[in-house]
Amino acid sequence: NAGVTQTPKFRILKIGQSMTLQCTQDMNHNYMYWYRQDPGMGLKLIYYSVGAGITDKGEVPNGYNVSRSTTEDFPLRLELAAPSQTSVYFCAVRLAGTYEQYFGPGTRLTVT
Amino acid sequence: KNEVEQSPQNLTAQEGEFITINCSYSVGISALHWLQQHPGGGIVSLFMLSSGKKKHGRLIATINIQEKHSSLHITASHPRDSAVYICAVRTGNQFYFGTGTSLTVIP
Repeated sequence: NAGVTQTPKFRILKIGQSMTLQCTQDMNHNYMYWYRQDPGMGLKLIYYSVGAGITDKGEVPNGYNVSRSTTEDFPLRLELAAPSQTSVYFCAVRLAGTYEQYFGPGTRLTVT
Repeated sequence: KNEVEQSPQNLTAQEGEFITINCSYSVGISALHWLQQHPGGGIVSLFMLSSGKKKHGRLIATINIQEKHSSLHITASHPRDSAVYICAVRTGNQFYFGTGTSLTVIP
């Protein structure tokens, strides 16, 4: 996952708090994705972006917001955190015209 | 129903065994990916397939577009192959993932 960094690695939130998960890439890739991975479940797409200023919803966008003001950064915002948002969050990037995704190391979030 | 189904969910093998992991999907796809998730959680891409067969070292991936099925084979398995193997399909700009196959290779 060289080239894709995520912060923080771990976080515990109380119900109702908000936070931003950061994703930064130095690969100059157009496409960026946010996924969540719940135990026993496949990765689910939350939001994605095809370039700066352009974002779109994935399968499970409720409770999240994103922005993409630069090519490098794609932060994921949780407003009013809920226990159902306890998960591991992965950011991934992809170069337009190619199909391979590069994943960040993940952020483990617990909401209690 | 998930768009992507994998089998088996869990697999234990003796070192040296030939391993097969299966993936079936129900949507039209542009490409299919096999990913490996290490015990520490990191995810790396192994293969991208849109037809036929690909080989990297001891790993072989095949896809049958008509059958909507792909297999990942590991020859001469080794304990370092222990990981979760994830099948994913791409439709448009979105990816759909299977729940993964947890492989343990015992020395």
